[in-house]
Amino acid sequence: QVQLVESGGALVKSGGSLRLSCAASGFTFSDYYMSWIRQAPGKGLEWVSYLSTSGDAIYYTDSVKGRFTISRDNTKNSLYLQMNSLRAEDSAVYYCGRVQVGSTVDYWGQGTLVTVSS
Amino acid sequence: QSALTQPPSASGSPGQSVTISCTGTSSDVGGYNYVSWYQHHPGKAPKLVIYEVSKRPSGVPDRFSGSKSGNTASLTVSGLQAEDEADYYCGSYAGSNKGVFGGGTKLTVL
Repeated sequence: QVQLVESGGALVKSGGSLRLSCAASGFTFSDYYMSWIRQAPGKGLEWVSYLSTSGDAIYYTDSVKGRFTISRDNTKNSLYLQMNSLRAEDSAVYYCGRVQVGSTVDYWGQGTLVTVSS
Repeated sequence: QSALTQPPSASGSPGQSVTISCTGTSSDVGGYNYVSWYQHHPGKAPKLVIYEVSKRPSGVPDRFSGSKSGNTASLTVSGLQAEDEADYYCGSYAGSNKGVFGGGTKLTVL
C-alpha cells in the first residue's frame, strides 16, 4: 500500500533552516509528481511546492520563493524540502503528498510539525 | 491565489445527509473539472474522498458524492455515520500549474 512518511520537523528560531524529508513506499516513486502542503495552526491547507517526476520544480507559493527548495531523489524514493530564512508564519504541519492530474493529491503523509520561534 | 470559500461548520444527525459547499471563481472551480475533496481526522493523514468533481477513489463509500454548478462545488455525505465526523477540504486546479484549497469545514455528527 502507498505510504508517505515525513520527518525533520522541529522547533527552530526565526532565520534558521530546516530540511524536511518524505520517505515513499508502495508505488513507483519516480512516476509521480510530488508535493509539500502545509497547515498553519487553526488555518486551512496551503500548497507550498511541487515538482515533476524528473525533479523540476513546478510551483512555489509566493511567500516561500527564494527561501524554500524542493527536491527529490528517485533512487532513494525520497522527497525533500530545504527551508531557509524561516519565519514565524512558516510554522505549520507540513504534509508530503502524491500529485495526480489537476492538482489532485491522492495520498498524503501524516505530517511533520515545524515551529518557528520569534 | 485566494483560498476557496467553505462554510466553517456543518452538522447532521446519524442517517441524515449533509452538503458542504465550496465556492471559487471562473479561474479555478468554474474553469476546470478538477475539484477534489479531502477528509481529515486531526492527527491523521488527509484522505481523498472525491476527485474530478464527482469521482470516488476505490474504497470510498458511495455515501460520498460530489457535484459542481458554475463556480460552486459541493460534497454530499449521505447516511451520516459517526466516523464521518472530520474536517473536510475542497481543492481545485487553478491553471498555470497552480492548485488552491478551501479553508475547511468541520463536520459534526450530532
